[in-house]
Amino acid sequence: TQLLEQSPQFLSIQEGENLTVYCNSSSVFSSLQWYRQEPGEGPVLLVTVVTGGEVKKLKRLTFQFGDARKDSSLHITAAQPGDTGLYLCAGARNNNDMRFGAGTRLTVKP
Amino acid sequence: EAGVVQSPRYKIIEKKQPVAFWCNPISGHNTLYWYLQNLGQGPELLIRYENEEAVDDSQLPKDRFSAERLKGVDSTLKIQPAELGDSAVYLCASSVASVSSYNEQFFGPGTRLTVL
Repeated sequence: TQLLEQSPQFLSIQEGENLTVYCNSSSVFSSLQWYRQEPGEGPVLLVTVVTGGEVKKLKRLTFQFGDARKDSSLHITAAQPGDTGLYLCAGARNNNDMRFGAGTRLTVKP
Repeated sequence: EAGVVQSPRYKIIEKKQPVAFWCNPISGHNTLYWYLQNLGQGPELLIRYENEEAVDDSQLPKDRFSAERLKGVDSTLKIQPAELGDSAVYLCASSVASVSSYNEQFFGPGTRLTVL
C-alpha cells in the first residue's frame, strides 16, 4: 500500500484545458513537495509546501497543501504541451523521511 | 554549477552478473540518496547517507545490494548477483541538511538497468 495516493494515474488533455491532480494520504506530513519528471531524466523539484492551507503559485501552476497537512493538489491553468510529464508528490514525516507517490502521468496534446 | 552526475546512463547485463552504479552529488551536499524507480512508479528509497554514514538502509535488500560512500562525497551502489526483477532505473539524489531546506532533493538522470 502506497503511503501517498496520487490521482488520476493517467491524464490526457488538449492544449489550453485546465486540470487538477491530487495527492492524498492518511498520514500527516511536515512538508510536501511536487516534482516533475520527464522521460530519461530524474525528477525536478517544483515546489515545497509546509503550512496547512498554504497555496503557492508558480506561473500557471497552483499548489495547495491541505489544512490537516495530509493531502495536496496541483492545478494547471491553460495546459501546454511542455507541461507533459510525470508529476510526483513526496511527503516528509520528518525532515529526512520522505516518501514518493506513484505519480500522475500527464499528456498535453497540441 | 554541475548537477548530480550518474554513470553509466544505461547498463544491460545477464542475470547473475554483478553491476555497479556511480554517483557524484552536488558539491557541498552532505546527504546522498539512492532510489529505485520501476516503470510507472515513483522513486523508492534504497539507502540514505549523511556524509559517509548510512543512516537509513532499511529498504536495501542486503543479500544482494551493497553501497558505499567512503569519503562522504561520491557513492557506489552494487548488485551482486543481479536478478531479472532488478531491471529498473536507479536514481541518485543529494541535498543539503539544514533546518530551512525542507529536504529539497536534486536528482541525477538515473541509470537504466536491464537484466536479461
